Amino acid sequence: QLVLTQSPSASASLGASVKLTCTLTSGHISYAIAWHQQQPQKGPRYLMKLNSDGSHIKGDGIPDRFSGSSSGAERYLTISSLQSEDEADYYCQTWGTGILVFGGGTKLTVL
Amino acid sequence: EVQLVESGGGLVQPGGSLRLSCAASGFIVSSNYMSWVRQAPGKGLEWVSVIYSGGSTYYADSVRGRFTISRDNSKNTLYLQMNSLRAEDTAVYYCARAMAGTSGCFDSWGQGTLVTVSS
Repeated sequence: QLVLTQSPSASASLGASVKLTCTLTSGHISYAIAWHQQQPQKGPRYLMKLNSDGSHIKGDGIPDRFSGSSSGAERYLTISSLQSEDEADYYCQTWGTGILVFGGGTKLTVL
Repeated sequence: EVQLVESGGGLVQPGGSLRLSCAASGFIVSSNYMSWVRQAPGKGLEWVSVIYSGGSTYYADSVRGRFTISRDNSKNTLYLQMNSLRAEDTAVYYCARAMAGTSGCFDSWGQGTLVTVSS
């Protein structure tokens, strides 16, 4: 069964960096994922497509502060030089034939 | 510029029906894999349904047999027909486009339309 696991919450200080994790179920570690950001009271926004080899395709206008990396079943989203507007929910998402799956989301608090 | 605009949400009684629309511009709906995703109040994102460019459709277990996804090529619009609605279907419904070359990497989202199922 294709499942994505995310920690429910994370926090970091203004100007610092944070690394969010999304874990694929074993048997699906070659899958690409997408990262999406949802700011309070807004719809989701596509950040990037992240492949198993760590290569990624970012959405239009996504700052260089956002980057992705991969290791085995783990997919990471790193946000550097945190700004107040980065406080949001972050969702990972993957897909297969006839199925699409979201992780539970990580609520990021910028202190 | 790619744009997705949902409409059709509202208040409906349990057991009722509603049809959501997603008007697209800047690309051709029928050439892309298109999905509906929902978000219940205070909850995370949940995939609902997808229609492939070839016309194949798939549904989440929670809505299979009650919801139908379709598109109108002449109007470049995606639809979600929702029947036998339940309180647990209350959510903001988003349409999303999958990136070319993928079946489900959403690279564009609409702003959402709220569906409330309540008596």
